[in-house]
Amino acid sequence: QITLKESGPTLVKPTQTLTLTCTFSGFSLSTSGVGVGWIRQPPGKALEWLALIYWDDDKRYSPSLKSRLTITKDTSKNQVVLTMTNMDPVDTATYYCAHIREVEMAIDYWGQGTLVTVSS
Amino acid sequence: QSALTQPPSVSGSPGQSVTISCTGTSSDVGSYNRVSWYQQPPGTAPKLMIYEVSNRPSGVPDRFSGSKSGNTASLTISGLQAEDEADYYCSSYTSSSIPVVFGGGTKLTVL
Repeated sequence: QITLKESGPTLVKPTQTLTLTCTFSGFSLSTSGVGVGWIRQPPGKALEWLALIYWDDDKRYSPSLKSRLTITKDTSKNQVVLTMTNMDPVDTATYYCAHIREVEMAIDYWGQGTLVTVSS
Repeated sequence: QSALTQPPSVSGSPGQSVTISCTGTSSDVGSYNRVSWYQQPPGTAPKLMIYEVSNRPSGVPDRFSGSKSGNTASLTISGLQAEDEADYYCSSYTSSSIPVVFGGGTKLTVL
């Protein structure tokens, strides 16, 4: 059974750096064809891809946020970490981590999401 | 602005069928069959309903079906039920730096 869970601060101040950790079970991020991604959703708005890391450490970023994002994985701990610098109130959103099947490019498992509020 | 275009809302009565469209370009929907659909009831995480245009994961009712023509993919829900009321998002593989793009979402109301 695949599960993912996001953890990190619920409140950050403007200009601070956000660090979110995705801890997962039921699969290995060293298995061919597997990826873990981060997606966010501002309140009442649509889903937005942020970053994706594949089993072979290939990393992809949203072009509009690339300069602010870093995604890394720790296969031994079954964790993926996302950092986002220079946070702004417009970054207030629910942040999801998710398991993606590379061949189909389908997200078949999602974490519960974590709401991050950016406010002074 | 989302990369894929969906209608903001659709509605239907119980038992009816509704179709949600998802329009992209030749760089995404038009060139690849890696189109997925997600259902998101209020306050919950999205759930995969369709992948690779028309495939249903185990456990998804066959009332949900997907198709594609040119640059437009579609999700059809037949025999509408109250529990189908949710936001629906499409996504597609794309030949850009981030390999997946989402639609703007469609709110389905069951009247």
